[in-house]
Amino acid sequence: DGGITQSPKYLFRKEGQNVTLSCEQNLNHDAMYWYRQDPGQGLRLIYYSQIVNDFQKGDIAEGYSVSREKKESFPLTVTSAQKNPTAFYLCASSTTSGNHNEQFFGPGTRLTVL
Amino acid sequence: GQQVMQIPQYQHVQEGEDFTTYCNSSTTLSNIQWYKQRPGGHPVFLIQLVKSGEVKKQKRLTFQFGEAKKNSSLHITATQTTDVGTYFCAVRDSNYQLIWGAGTKLIIKP
Repeated sequence: DGGITQSPKYLFRKEGQNVTLSCEQNLNHDAMYWYRQDPGQGLRLIYYSQIVNDFQKGDIAEGYSVSREKKESFPLTVTSAQKNPTAFYLCASSTTSGNHNEQFFGPGTRLTVL
Repeated sequence: GQQVMQIPQYQHVQEGEDFTTYCNSSTTLSNIQWYKQRPGGHPVFLIQLVKSGEVKKQKRLTFQFGEAKKNSSLHITATQTTDVGTYFCAVRDSNYQLIWGAGTKLIIKP
């Protein structure tokens, strides 16, 4: 079964701790993305990567870091520098060729910082 | 940068009534995608439009792309409880990023 997995589904952390969210895809997609969604709001891009070992900041990258060491994996670290980290985090992937580049999303991770 | 304005933010309907959401841009769009996000879920791709004046249907859903390729709409006929969720439009840019609308939340009145 092809798709994107994110783990964990729910995550609780104490203020001041770094936390890493997992995102894995077996769709053979080159591009991967991290979004943040706050309650009742739209999607805001944190980071994206179009190829292994390369990634770019999105609109709200401050306080976050990523790596792309493998095509299948794009973990996101929420650092203690992120002022308001409680949110719903969505990972997505897409192809980078052709005209149909819809994004496929994982189920998301709900992070709560206590 | 490119922006996409989506209206309305919310729409309350009785079950069986129609629903429409609109996306508008000040610049010509090369394409537009539509996604649905169920409550508590993740966005799921519905369709992509690329041609001027294009109209596509998926059962009770009708998607339109304006003649000038600056606006698009999603219309749902005779809403059902399964239609509840937030509908987003998004435009793909040259870097394969999506520029997202703010979404329209469809709420079915009890």
